This record gives sequence, C-alpha cells and structure tokens, in this order.
Amino acid sequence: EIVLTQSPDTLSLSPGERATLSCRASQSVSSTSLAWYQQKPGQAPRLLVFGASIRATGIPDRFTGSGSGTDFTLTISRLEPEDFAVYYCQQCGGSVFTFGPGTIVHIK
Amino acid sequence: QVQLQESGPGLAKPSETLSLTCGVTGYSISSGYYWGWIRQPPGKGLEWIGHIYRSGNTYYNPSLNSRITMSVDTSKNQFSLKVTSVTAADTAVYYCARVSVIGGYYYMDVWGKGTTVTVSS
Repeated sequence: EIVLTQSPDTLSLSPGERATLSCRASQSVSSTSLAWYQQKPGQAPRLLVFGASIRATGIPDRFTGSGSGTDFTLTISRLEPEDFAVYYCQQCGGSVFTFGPGTIVHIK
Repeated sequence: QVQLQESGPGLAKPSETLSLTCGVTGYSISSGYYWGWIRQPPGKGLEWIGHIYRSGNTYYNPSLNSRITMSVDTSKNQFSLKVTSVTAADTAVYYCARVSVIGGYYYMDVWGKGTTVTVSS
C-alpha cells in the first residue's frame, strides 16, 4: 500500500500570504492518480485538483497543483479568508485509494 | 446537478452489522462512474472504504475487506454499504462519493454531506 505523508501538519498564515503544502508518497505514483481536497469543519471534502495539476470545476486559479513521482505540492497563491481549512492529498494505485493525514491551514 | 445523500441508522451496537445507503439524484448510476464510500473518525483524517461499478464490480480497502460488502441498485439509483462485526473503531462520519477512474484519472468529484454513525451499546 502506498503511504502518503503531508507537511507541515499545520500552517499558520495571514490572509494574502502564500501557502505551500507538500504531499510525499512512499513510492512513485502516477500523476493522474494524485488529487487534492479541501475540507472545512462540518462539511464534506471538496475536490480542488486532480491529475496532480488540473483544477476541478469552479476552483479559483489561486490554487495550483504541481509535482510528479513521489513529491507533490499544492500552492495557494494568496490566501482568502475562506481558504482556512484542512487539505488532503489522495492517490490511487492498483485501484486502492489512500489519503494523506492532512495539513491544517489556519489564520495566524 | 449531481447530488448524493447518505441514509441509515445513526447508532449501531458492537458486533452488529451497519448498513448505509447512498441515493443519487441528477445522474444515472447506469451511465457510468464508480460509486464509493469514505469515512472519517471523529477528529481524524479520511479513510477510503471501497467503490463499486454499476455492474457490481467492487474494490475494497484491504484493511476492511473481510467485513465490507457493497452493492448497487440501478433501478433505485442508489448504492449501499454493509460493515459487519462493528466496534467502537467504526464510529465515524460516513461519506458516499462519485469516483472517477476515467482516462487513468482517479478522484472523487461529488460527495454527500455525510452521516454520523456511532457504535455503542
């Protein structure tokens, strides 16, 4: 099973700042299987990016996914108040999905 | 638009079987996509449970495989999850989701709001 680790665990930033979230896989994964989700308290996760770098429908362009192999990054160029949330990466290998443990982005 | 809604008992006793259903509106399950279940224990991260195709073809989390059964009812446009021999560790918010495996891309693009299941005597 491929294990995903995310760093940092928590990111304390102010609105307007840039956020850089990392997702590392225990072995190389296909970029097409790497996705990012945002989850706010009491809500279901929302798909942000799939295929490592393709924004989902309706996702603002301040969200950018990048990376390949074992290292992937989600960048939020300028944090808006509604961006403070938990972010999860996900991969699928051999039809088995795994999620990373999440990165909390909270207001400094 | 596509909407998913989980339903089922909010409480289960240890050793019993948990049964949940996900109703789909705005899209016919028969048209394609896989349909999946994900859970989230209180204060913790997301755990994929499994997903199912309209044909009944299933993929399950290896750590839960022996206790999981998924089924699909295309006539009712819904799919279901059964978890046997539940324990307190199965207490979680259970989400259903549409799962895309099209063109080699794997992701979950539409989610239900989730239903809370507590396992307690």
